[in-house]
Amino acid sequence: DQQVKQNSPSLSVQEGRISILNCDYTNSMFDYFLWYKKYPAEGPTFLISISSIKDKNEDGRFTVFLNKSAKHLSLHIVPSQPGDSAVYFCAASGTSSGNTGKLIFGQGTTLQVKP
Amino acid sequence: NAGVTQTPKFQVLKTGQSMTLQCAQDMNHNSMYWYRQDPGMGLRLIYYSASEGTTDKGEVPNGYNVSRLNKREFSLRLESAAPSQTSVYFCASSEVNTEAFFGQGTRLTVV
Repeated sequence: DQQVKQNSPSLSVQEGRISILNCDYTNSMFDYFLWYKKYPAEGPTFLISISSIKDKNEDGRFTVFLNKSAKHLSLHIVPSQPGDSAVYFCAASGTSSGNTGKLIFGQGTTLQVKP
Repeated sequence: NAGVTQTPKFQVLKTGQSMTLQCAQDMNHNSMYWYRQDPGMGLRLIYYSASEGTTDKGEVPNGYNVSRLNKREFSLRLESAAPSQTSVYFCASSEVNTEAFFGQGTRLTVV
C-alpha cells in the first residue's frame, strides 16, 4: 500500500514558467513533509520541507503548499530553469505512536525544463 | 565533512552470493535508513534505525538484514542475492523530523 503517491511520472515546462509538482499521502499520522531533487548517478538532495502546523513554506524560487484536509502537497518552482531538470521526490514522516519517524517516499516525478 | 559515505559504489554478484553494503555518517545523527531505487517505484524503504541498537522493517525488507553497529554505521546484508535485488541502494541519515542526508548510492547487479 503506497502511503505517498506522485501520480505524474513526468512533467515538461518551458523555461521561465511555473512548475507544479503534486503529491498525495494516505497516512493521517504524517506530520512532516519534504521534497528532494535527484540528478542521475547522485544521491537525492534536500530541497524544502514543511511541518503539518503550516500550510506554506517558501525558499527562494521554491514554495511548498500543504493541504491537510485533502492530504495533498505541492511544490511550485518559479521561475523554472533548465538546471531544475531532475527527478523530484516527495517524502513524509511522523513521530506519533506507530510511526517512529520513518521517512517514506513517493515514486518521483521527472521534470524537464526546456530552454 | 564527508556526510554519508557508502561502499562499494558498484558491485556485481552472482545469484546466491552474499554481500554487505556499508554505510557511515559523520553528522552524529540518530536515525539511519536503507532505501532501494527502481525505475517507476521511487525510493522504497528497506530498513530503518531510529537509534543505535534499534532497527525496524520498512516497506520491502524481505531478503535483507541490517546491523546498526554503532551510532555512525548502518550496514545492509544480502544473504543470498537474487536478480530481483538488482537495484540502486541508498543509505541516509537524519534526526527525527529533519531532512535526511543521502549517500551517493551503490549500484548492485545480480546475475
